[in-house]
Amino acid sequence: AQKITQTQPGMFVQEKEAVTLDCTYDTSDPSYGLFWYKQPSSGEMIFLIYQGSYDQQNATEGRYSLNFQKARKSANLVISASQLGDSAMYFCAMRTSYDKVIFGPGTSLSVIP
Amino acid sequence: DAGVTQSPTHLIKTRGQQVTLRCSPKSGHDTVSWYQQALGQGPQFIFQYYEEEERQRGNFPDRFSGHQFPNYSSELNVNALLLGDSALYLCASSLLVLGSPTPYGYTFGSGTRLTVV
Repeated sequence: AQKITQTQPGMFVQEKEAVTLDCTYDTSDPSYGLFWYKQPSSGEMIFLIYQGSYDQQNATEGRYSLNFQKARKSANLVISASQLGDSAMYFCAMRTSYDKVIFGPGTSLSVIP
Repeated sequence: DAGVTQSPTHLIKTRGQQVTLRCSPKSGHDTVSWYQQALGQGPQFIFQYYEEEERQRGNFPDRFSGHQFPNYSSELNVNALLLGDSALYLCASSLLVLGSPTPYGYTFGSGTRLTVV
């Protein structure tokens, strides 16, 4: 069975500090992709970063980086230099070769001035 | 280039009624997936449509049904509404690629917030 686990219901970070949001996953499919989405209070899902299961290097997109540890089945999101606008829900998601995307329960991030 | 458009944005229905939600995919996308997101939870996969057929379905009862039209737009229908159906319904469009996941994830609409009273 495929599953995404996010064990941090809520996180706080000081503005300009870095924060790590945890994600572990489970799948028997050897080919998969991992995504992180941001969901502000408006409700729209905003794509942040992608990591393929065969990618050798960790993905980076601006202030976002993904710490991919395949053997441990973890894909943690690191946000550097947090900004007030980063306050939102963050979802880890997985897409398998059969093209279905499943989501974790999410982590609520609050950035403190 | 328009992204994913969902309508209506908000809806209030009475228990037992039926509702239809609509989604227009991003230009160039051929696949539409629907998700239910209860307050404070992650989105749950309802079903996915490709070439006007339901190709995958999550753990949702038959009260949830859908349709995809030749222009790739889609509808989600929910019959006999229950209080527990109150949620944000998200539509996501994508380009179907089997065998190897692509970096091109889903593009989401802003959702329809359904309240059942």
